[in-house]
Amino acid sequence: QSALTQPASVSGSPGQSITISCTGTSSDVGGYDYVSWYQQLPGKAPKLMIYEVRNRPSGVSNRFSGSKSGNTASLTISGLQAEDEANYYCSSYTSSTALHVIFGAGTKLTVL
Amino acid sequence: QVQLVESGGGVVQPGRSLRLSCAASGFTFSTYYMHWLRQAPGKGLEWVAHISHDGNKKYYEDSVRGRFTISRDNSKNTVYLQTNSLIPEDTAVYYCARDTHDFWTGYSFDNWGQGTLVTVSS
Repeated sequence: QSALTQPASVSGSPGQSITISCTGTSSDVGGYDYVSWYQQLPGKAPKLMIYEVRNRPSGVSNRFSGSKSGNTASLTISGLQAEDEANYYCSSYTSSTALHVIFGAGTKLTVL
Repeated sequence: QVQLVESGGGVVQPGRSLRLSCAASGFTFSTYYMHWLRQAPGKGLEWVAHISHDGNKKYYEDSVRGRFTISRDNSKNTVYLQTNSLIPEDTAVYYCARDTHDFWTGYSFDNWGQGTLVTVSS
């Protein structure tokens, strides 16, 4: 089972908006609305930012938003701040018999 | 507040076993699915296993099925991961995580422990 496809890195300046894509197949991203996004700072546990494609947990800034079109999900961060610099991982439920949840390899966001 | 504290990691030789524990507090443990995930050094996240709120449903990632066993004790608010026949590829930080929803799984994880490192090496 291949991982979901994310860009290795993205960058943006403070105040700008960036979008991170996450491409899968009809067996995962395209087939179910169980796409999540996690932020991971160095040496820390991941933090849930978006679940079920577009839902934000309480306490997560509304600068973070999620969407999906076909087999590709996206995380958009608006009004970039220095504190947003981190690794971001997408995940999805998968109907593969080998596992139930599949992750992307992660995207390193650099705030210039 | 929700707190998850893992323990039980360490350095172990190939073929040996470790039992990881995750003590939960701050929420009604018996109503949530719980998950174990791992992250090899410098690598991405990998889901390992989950267990339903009542312990009746258990699912595993292919590479650990038959070697790892997830269980829970709702009277102790603790979830376990028994890891047997360990191989070097199992070297990782192991996280326990709570599911976002109670009584069902939406395959997302809203609270994570700090992780416990398992190193498999001779």
